This record gives sequence, structure tokens and C-alpha cells, in this order.
Amino acid sequence: QVQLVESGGGVVQPGMSLRLSCATSGFTFSRYGIHWVRQAPGKGLEWLATITYDGNDKYYADAVKGRVAVSRDQSRNTVYLQLNGLRREDTAKYYCAREAAIATGRPYGMDVWGQGTTVTVSS
Amino acid sequence: YEVTQSPSVSVSAGQTAAITCSGNALPLQYTYWFQKRSGQAPLLVIYKDRERPSGIPDRFSGSRSGTIATLTISEVQADDEADYFCQSVDSSGSYVVFGGGTKLVVL
Repeated sequence: QVQLVESGGGVVQPGMSLRLSCATSGFTFSRYGIHWVRQAPGKGLEWLATITYDGNDKYYADAVKGRVAVSRDQSRNTVYLQLNGLRREDTAKYYCAREAAIATGRPYGMDVWGQGTTVTVSS
Repeated sequence: YEVTQSPSVSVSAGQTAAITCSGNALPLQYTYWFQKRSGQAPLLVIYKDRERPSGIPDRFSGSRSGTIATLTISEVQADDEADYFCQSVDSSGSYVVFGGGTKLVVL
């Protein structure tokens, strides 16, 4: 079955960096884009970034552009989200989700989600 | 670009709930709907405006008229109580947007 498993979260101090991973299985990884979405405590879902199926295109939310970078390793069926200059307001559960459309050059929507990894930014 | 949802909808068990999502680009881009329970990952309940994934009960349906997309849940059950989020993209297809979420309260 299709699975996405996030890892790499933890407690970090403001200003530090973190790299989250999204390990996938159960589908042809090279044909699907992957999204990163977060939910801060008591808040709604917030889209952060999308990487297309071939890694050639990356899309970022204005709120995090310049502080995050998405990448993928086709040989490991894994997508990464590099978070830099972390702030207290980055405290959230971070999810990766599969793009719902196959082999598309831009985002449409999500279908299958991972269970998330928690990032806490605190001194 | 933003899409807008009402903060909450309350319905009695057995009745029909309608959750709306408003956005200027919705006529140009598909809308997706997710159910989000506390402590759980979001679950896709409707994609491409009106399509239902396998395993989702046919009590869940989606539609769109102009700039408003609607998620309709018929014969609402206590287990349907959750937050529901709509998601789409802007007219350029470059930015993903989520609505603020609608809390469905089952009376």
C-alpha cells in the first residue's frame, strides 16, 4: 500500500536548521510530486513546498521562501525539506503528501499523507 | 490568493451538512477536500471538485458553482465530527492554498 513516513523532527533552538525526510513506498515514486504541509498547534493546514515528480520544478509558499528548500533522491524514494533559520512560529507538525496527479509539472492537490513529524522551536 | 471557509457548521445527526469554500480561481482549478481529526493525518474525501476516492462513503459528495465549491455530507454521523479543509491552487498553478478549515459539529 502507498505509504509516506516523515522523520527528522525534534526540539531545536531558534536560528537553527533541521532537515526533514519523507520516505515513501508502495508506488512508483518517480512519477509523483510530493508536497510539504504543516499544522501549527490550534491552527489550520499551511502549504510549504512542492517538488515535481522529476525534481525539475519546485514551488514554495511566500511565507517560507528563502528559508526552506525541497529536494528528492530518486534512488532512495525519499523527499527532503531543509528548514533554515527556524523561528518559534515554525513550531508545528510537518506532513508530506503525495501529489494526486501523475507526472505533472505543477501542483494540483494531495491524495495520500504521512502521519507527520513534530518540530518544536524553543530556547 | 486565498480561499475562504466558514469557521464552523453545526448539524443534527442524520441531517445534511454543507461546507463551502470560496475563491476566485476555483472555476479554473480543481478543489480537493480533506477530513482532519485531532491527532490524525488529513484524509482525502473529495478530489477534482466532485470525485470520491475509493473507501470514502457515498454520503460524501462535492460540487462547484462559479467561485464556490461545496462539500456535502448527507446522513451525518457522530463519527463525521472533524475539521474539513478545502485545497486548491491559484490561477497560475504555482501556489497551493488551503482554506482555514470548517469545524463540523454533530449535535
